[in-house]
Amino acid sequence: SAVISQKPSRDICQRGTSLTIQCQVDSQVTMMFWYRQQPGQSLTLIATANQGSEATYESGFVIDKFPISRPNLTFSTLTVSNMSPEDSSIYLCSVAPGHDPGANVLTFGAGSRLTVL
Amino acid sequence: LAKTTQPISMDSYEGQEVNITCSHNNIATNDYITWYQQFPSQGPRFIIQGYKTKVTNEVASLFIPADRKSSTLSLPRVSLSDTAVYYCLVGAPNRDDKIIFGKGTRLHILP
Repeated sequence: SAVISQKPSRDICQRGTSLTIQCQVDSQVTMMFWYRQQPGQSLTLIATANQGSEATYESGFVIDKFPISRPNLTFSTLTVSNMSPEDSSIYLCSVAPGHDPGANVLTFGAGSRLTVL
Repeated sequence: LAKTTQPISMDSYEGQEVNITCSHNNIATNDYITWYQQFPSQGPRFIIQGYKTKVTNEVASLFIPADRKSSTLSLPRVSLSDTAVYYCLVGAPNRDDKIIFGKGTRLHILP
């Protein structure tokens, strides 16, 4: 399975600032997903990022707040813009192999833990 | 997307077999059942996937009855290190099907 590196692993940010999270994969993948996990909660899908097209956002998430780039098949970034304390969460990058069978089996990065003061 | 229902939490003791059942009454014909394990401060990790009957790997077994409306993840002889959150997901193995996580089951293994 793919190996994913996420940066930063954790950060403490000031209210009103923005932070960009990087996700690097060791192999080319078609589909990349960004999830958010708030303390003690399950994972919530933010958006699907496919190379060469605009990211597809889930209900409750908008591009202005969470802009995503996907410049190639091994890299993506998620920016958390104009942060507030409510954005304090773990943000996880994940990829799917994109072939049957098991196309929907995800591999996750270790996550980026953001604390907004 | 089929919704899944799992117990919120379970406790067990070291050396015991643990069975976690997931209900998915609205599972579609081409849906697979996938289980993930998540330790604190880590991303979820794939455990096992199946379509019907029984699947076994080095980590767990997955039992799926004929009607496929539920499934049971079986962890043999658990240890303290199996303390984690376990997620059951249902979906089709194609590149267009987004993967939605439910609340998961928080398994606590006691010495």
